[in-house]
Amino acid sequence: QSALTQPASVSGSPGQSITISCTGTSSDLGAYIYVSWHQQHPGKAPKLVIFDVSKRPSGVSNRFSGSKSGNTASLTISGLQAEDEADYYCSSYRGTNVWVFGGGTKLTVL
Amino acid sequence: EVQLVESGGGLIHPGGSLRLSCAASGFSVSVSYMNWVRQAPGKGLEWVSVIYSAGTTYYADFVQGRFTISRDNSKNTVYLEMNALRAEDAAMYYCARDTMFDLWGRGTLVTVSS
Repeated sequence: QSALTQPASVSGSPGQSITISCTGTSSDLGAYIYVSWHQQHPGKAPKLVIFDVSKRPSGVSNRFSGSKSGNTASLTISGLQAEDEADYYCSSYRGTNVWVFGGGTKLTVL
Repeated sequence: EVQLVESGGGLIHPGGSLRLSCAASGFSVSVSYMNWVRQAPGKGLEWVSVIYSAGTTYYADFVQGRFTISRDNSKNTVYLEMNALRAEDAAMYYCARDTMFDLWGRGTLVTVSS
């Protein structure tokens, strides 16, 4: 069960916007709305920032947004802040009661 | 407070067994989908298993019959019984709620070494 494909790293300056991609197949990410994004700071547990492709949990900044086109989902963070520096993981339902995560993207705020 | 607290990790020899626990508070595991997700040191997240509210269970391919997920509704706790442990099973094991993984515990560390 191969992972979803994410870039290993992205970077941006404070105030800028960045986008992290997450690519799957027509059998997983492309077929379902159950795509979520998780933020993980070093040594901490992951935290949900986007679910069902583009919905934001209560308490998550509106600087975080999600979208999907075909087999690729995207997480965009606007107005980049130092506290956004973290690892980000996408996840998707893969069908047949199995879920899959992306390999993770390290976001560096320059 | 709504939270998940994992326990039961530790150092185990290859081939050994371990039972992890995930105690929930603030909500009922009996009406939730509950997952185990692991993260090897310096690596990404990897989905392990899920138990649905109906009690049905599913596993990642790499489990190969070695792990069993279960729950005790009276204790509001989910378990992961792991047998025939391998070096590659060494990881932080997290429990997480629902299909969107909206709530995570802090994890419990499993080390597999002789």
